[in-house]
Amino acid sequence: DVQMTQSPSSLSASVGDRVTITCRASQAIRTDLGWYQQKPGEAPQRLIYDASALQSGVPSRFSGSGSGTEFTLTISSLQPEDFATYYCLQHNSYSWTFGQGTKVEIK
Amino acid sequence: LQLQESGPGLVKPSQTLSLTCTISGDSISSGSYFWSWIRQPAGKGLEWVGHIYRSGSTNYDPSLRSRVSISFDTSKNQFSLKLISVTAADTATYYCARGLPFFGFDSWGQGALVTVSS
Repeated sequence: DVQMTQSPSSLSASVGDRVTITCRASQAIRTDLGWYQQKPGEAPQRLIYDASALQSGVPSRFSGSGSGTEFTLTISSLQPEDFATYYCLQHNSYSWTFGQGTKVEIK
Repeated sequence: LQLQESGPGLVKPSQTLSLTCTISGDSISSGSYFWSWIRQPAGKGLEWVGHIYRSGSTNYDPSLRSRVSISFDTSKNQFSLKLISVTAADTATYYCARGLPFFGFDSWGQGALVTVSS
């Protein structure tokens, strides 16, 4: 089974900051990875699929990169509505796996 | 597409948790989708539970495999989750979602809180 290690578990940042979140897979998963944003009390929403493809309607300040075992979600200029928890999800194997999540908080 | 979870919000320890997801705007037997369940204990991360494909084939999280089953009812356009022998550790918000190979989850239900308590 593929394990996902996401870091950091939390971070504090200011509006306008560049933020980077990383997920590492325990084995190669090609680009079978997505990034999801979850706000309190809401279901997650997909931001990125296929490691780097931007979901329709998602602002271009969000970007994803990586393949194989190392993946990154970058928010180029953090906005107030971006304070949330972010998860990676691998869907390469028969069992899918989420990362542990990264909570982005206001500094 | 809309997904709506339904089922008891309170289940006693050692009993069976049962939830249903009703699909609107798509057919459970169309496309190449994985109809999935994900859960989230309060204040914790997301946990993939398992999914069912239109063929009826299923995959489950290894840690839950001995207790979980997912099935569907095409006549009602629903799929269901059953988790046996529950404990307090199974208390969580349970989401149903539509997944696609290579693309992950594109639609989610609003979630249903299930509490395991006597």
